[in-house]
Amino acid sequence: SQKIEQNSEALNIQEGKTATLTCNYTNYSPAYLQWYRQDPGRGPVFLLLIRENEKEKRKERLKVTFDTTLKQSLFHITASQPADSATYLCAHRAGSNDYKLSFGAGTTVTVRA
Amino acid sequence: DAGVIQSPRHEVTEMGQEVTLRCKPISGHNSLFWYRQTMMRGLELLIYFNNNVPIDDSGMPEDRFSAKMPNASFSTLKIQPSEPRDSAVYFCASGEGGANTEAFFGQGTRLTVV
Repeated sequence: SQKIEQNSEALNIQEGKTATLTCNYTNYSPAYLQWYRQDPGRGPVFLLLIRENEKEKRKERLKVTFDTTLKQSLFHITASQPADSATYLCAHRAGSNDYKLSFGAGTTVTVRA
Repeated sequence: DAGVIQSPRHEVTEMGQEVTLRCKPISGHNSLFWYRQTMMRGLELLIYFNNNVPIDDSGMPEDRFSAKMPNASFSTLKIQPSEPRDSAVYFCASGEGGANTEAFFGQGTRLTVV
């Protein structure tokens, strides 16, 4: 079965730097890959979605890439701020008729001022 | 819309008791998901509904867990009898349906079984 893995449990970076998070999948290429942010004590909040035929998606200081050859998605936070400190989760759906949304374990980002 | 509403926010119960968690999805959303989150296992999908019909309950850990969606605006997740290992945060999420749509999560219910 499909496994989705986020390699780093935690990432500590200096304010102003770029944070790069990794999401790998093991088998088939998911048709859609999503990224969420979760703050302590709250539910995940959707950030970005990227389709398998898209190489890159941007939203303000966020950028997501999708490399089907490497079976990997990268999530970048540019010009990071302490307010970006949170846990970031990737999630996938296998296909256009698949409602099941499965999540990776998440990477906790801490941005130091 | 107030978003996905879950109740209660916190629940402490004794082992063996029945626990019922409640969820009101966003109006107009066709899909509803129940997740469980723990430090050890992360965010696990328990069950999801589409148009009030359970589509996949393969994530439900045991027969002690059951979920219902009697109408488009209400769902319950029941644990009977509860055990200490059921302690976790349970999230309900809803979506418009379709693979290219996002899920909107509630605030979660923190369940502690002692």
